[in-house]
Amino acid sequence: ELKVEQNPLFLSMQEGKNYTIYCNYSTTSDRLYWYRQDPGKSLESLFVLLSNGAVKQEGRLMASLDTKARLSTLHITAAVHDLSATYFCAGFNYGGATNKLIFGTGTLLAVQP
Amino acid sequence: SQTIHQWPATLVQPVGSPLSLECTVEGTSNPNLYWYRQAAGRGLQLLFYSVGIGQISSEVPQNLSASRPQDRQFILSSKKLLLSDSGFYLCAWSPGTAETQYFGPGTRLLVL
Repeated sequence: ELKVEQNPLFLSMQEGKNYTIYCNYSTTSDRLYWYRQDPGKSLESLFVLLSNGAVKQEGRLMASLDTKARLSTLHITAAVHDLSATYFCAGFNYGGATNKLIFGTGTLLAVQP
Repeated sequence: SQTIHQWPATLVQPVGSPLSLECTVEGTSNPNLYWYRQAAGRGLQLLFYSVGIGQISSEVPQNLSASRPQDRQFILSSKKLLLSDSGFYLCAWSPGTAETQYFGPGTRLLVL
């Protein structure tokens, strides 16, 4: 079964700095999802990456997918406090009894002024 | 546009009591529906999913059950709650099996 690992688990960064969250997965997954969760809230879909080399950007967030390396990254540019949240990546697990999303453990991002 | 509702938003229940959480989706037909649980500070665990009325797949053996009595209604139930059932319960829908899942606002359950 697909396994998804994120790192770091916790990231404290200053406003204005750049950083990258990494998402590695264990077996073939032709699509990769990124979600954001604010404290005490539900998950909000950010990006879905559907092919090798896919890159998507929204504001200060940019996600990319390298299916050969089984790696997706979420790059944060010039962080602002509003980006503080937990970010989850998820791969799609095909086959077996269930086709389902497998979530990483999440990266808690805290942007300090 | 599509919207997903869950209720109640918060629930405090004693151990051994029954549970019923409801999820409804508007603005789409024949969605895939999912129940997840998120323990405090943890990731998401898929509990049940459904591709149609009366069709339920269970992921993890436990004292919870799910039902889908109508196309856009998904219910999570328990006959007797355990302390370990505490958590944040999220319902989600997707247009198809491998497509983006959209999450509801969640129900926070505390079992005492």
